[in-house]
Amino acid sequence: DGGITQSPKYLFRKEGQNVTLSCEQNLNHDAMYWYRQDPGQGLRLIYYSQIVNDFQKGDIAEGYSVSREKKESFPLTVTSAQKNPTAFYLCATSDARSGANVLTFGAGSRLTVL
Amino acid sequence: QKEVEQDPGPLSVPEGAIVSLNCTYSNSAFQYFMWYRQYSRKGPELLMYTYSSGNKEDGRFTAQVDKSSKYISLFIRDSQPSDSATYLCAMSEVAAGNKLTFGGGTRVLVKP
Repeated sequence: DGGITQSPKYLFRKEGQNVTLSCEQNLNHDAMYWYRQDPGQGLRLIYYSQIVNDFQKGDIAEGYSVSREKKESFPLTVTSAQKNPTAFYLCATSDARSGANVLTFGAGSRLTVL
Repeated sequence: QKEVEQDPGPLSVPEGAIVSLNCTYSNSAFQYFMWYRQYSRKGPELLMYTYSSGNKEDGRFTAQVDKSSKYISLFIRDSQPSDSATYLCAMSEVAAGNKLTFGGGTRVLVKP
């Protein structure tokens, strides 16, 4: 069953805590992305990685960190420095051979700060 | 002003009607134009994409791009209750690494 697995689906965090969202893919795609979705604002890019051991900041990277130690995995850590972390987080992949950069998305993780 | 504008809706139509969705954009360098469908509490899934101007049809879905007006549209014919979802447009510029810029999404409700 090919695809992208995000976990956990729902996560609650107290203020001041770091949390890590998992993203695993078996599509053999080179590029992986993390987006944040807030109501009415569309998807905003947090970080992306085009190859293992390399990643780039997106438009809203402050307060977040990532790693890309394996092609299949791209975890996102939401740190205590992120002032408004409550959101729906989406992981995506793309095949570098696709000229259109078509993204395949996971089912998402909803983070709520208590 | 946002780079890609999309009416948030909700857009409510009776079953069988044509659903008309659109996005306007400001960056004339955009070359790829995509439409994603997102069901509640799920990740978006690609419906279709077009390169540059023109029309593209896939079953009940038709995408149109008018680069001169910086305007793209998605039409859904013979709409079904299962088409009820949020529809996101996205576009990219090859020279900028094909980074996607998304609209805010339009929520569609097809009533039986």
